[in-house]
Amino acid sequence: GAGVSQSPRYKVAKRGQDVALRCDPISGHVSLFWYQQALGQGPEFLTYFQNEAQLDKSGLPSDRFFAERPEGSVSTLKIQRTQQEDSAVYLCASSIGGEGSVGYTFGSGTRLTVV
Amino acid sequence: AQSVTQPDIHITVSEGASLELRCNYSYGATPYLFWYVQSPGQGLQLLLKYFSGDTLVQGIKGFEAGFKRSQSSFNLRKPSVHWSDAAEYFCAVGTATSGTYKYIFGTGTRLKVLA
Repeated sequence: GAGVSQSPRYKVAKRGQDVALRCDPISGHVSLFWYQQALGQGPEFLTYFQNEAQLDKSGLPSDRFFAERPEGSVSTLKIQRTQQEDSAVYLCASSIGGEGSVGYTFGSGTRLTVV
Repeated sequence: AQSVTQPDIHITVSEGASLELRCNYSYGATPYLFWYVQSPGQGLQLLLKYFSGDTLVQGIKGFEAGFKRSQSSFNLRKPSVHWSDAAEYFCAVGTATSGTYKYIFGTGTRLKVLA
């Protein structure tokens, strides 16, 4: 597609529920990133895929967070047993290669609210 | 450790006035530097990037940024602000660690434009 598409745009979850957030990157983009943006903060790195391989998951805050990209295109970020501190905007970004100098293209994000 | 500091949380300028948003970074090697803009409810849009060469880089929407290695700064400027520039602005440094290229963002500067 022309841009990075994320769904849903908004998600309200009760504490303890599992959620799945979807990212559809730009077609042909090798690299895919997930970032978490808490209210009033800059985005923080969660995880990185190169094609279907998850090369870096050092930013995932706990083992309740899990990401996958099984066919090297669409990615899903799953959060199990959501907690209030998980409330944030989750941003997906893609880039055509692994080299970052060209800059990422970000999606509009999914705003997750845990009540 | 790598970091990005945006000292101004909020800035208010009158339409037509000039603008400068400050960004200081900490990074051991030659940095890749970026400025992104985020409108309410939207993802991040790349304004400009620096990775080598000229210390003044031009971006979209009339923005430019000056890289000063001696001051570890990468300040964003615009000669004449338009009401549509009201948004949040993020400075980021690109870091390469163990094969992952990721960004470290500042906490952002929210720009308000007075008519």
